[in-house]
Amino acid sequence: GAGVSQSPRYKVAKRGQDVALRCDPISGHVSLFWYQQALGQGPEFLTYFQNEAQLDKSGLPSDRFFAERPEGSVSTLKIQRTQQEDSAVYLCASSLAGGGDETQYFGPGTRLLVL
Amino acid sequence: GENVEQHPSTLSVQEGDSAVIKCTYSDSASNYFPWYKQELGKRPQLIIDIRSNVGEKKDQRIAVTLNKTAKHFSLHITETQPEDSAVYFCAASERSSASKIIFGSGTRLSIRP
Repeated sequence: GAGVSQSPRYKVAKRGQDVALRCDPISGHVSLFWYQQALGQGPEFLTYFQNEAQLDKSGLPSDRFFAERPEGSVSTLKIQRTQQEDSAVYLCASSLAGGGDETQYFGPGTRLLVL
Repeated sequence: GENVEQHPSTLSVQEGDSAVIKCTYSDSASNYFPWYKQELGKRPQLIIDIRSNVGEKKDQRIAVTLNKTAKHFSLHITETQPEDSAVYFCAASERSSASKIIFGSGTRLSIRP
């Protein structure tokens, strides 16, 4: 079946612009996660949804970052007033039920470059 | 919170030899330890995972061992092949949160022909 998909795959933004990154999880997966992966580093947790509820947003680096999953399927990560330090790959993952002890399936990521 | 340390950061082995990557974690309550393989420009893909109720798990050429007392776990790849070249990440669940997986910083594995 179809895996996790993300769009756009690449995004170039000028500093100060707002961006929106989309994630389509595997159909039927309850949990959805967002990660930020800087060059040469491991993914870092940003936020987690169970259905439409955002249960953990402790990893969001600032109030410029906002995520939503209004109908419990597709999710959007929005970054307002982008800064150069926001340049990274943003990965989305989903898992069947919930919790950090289940297999997470990753999407291909959105590579964001802020100039 | 959980902290995961991974070493080495780079590893080069001769094709056919074995490769070992080691990780330590800080949260004694962690109970889930996945390993991901990430090829350049691609998504991380789960290759094997282990839960804290077992000490070892094997899948063909890949094995993972877990020492809960010492809080470390290792990935072993035997009979390495060129397609094993990639970045490997270990991770551990953070039990204070129902959701987080904390990743190590990665090991870049190169297989020499």
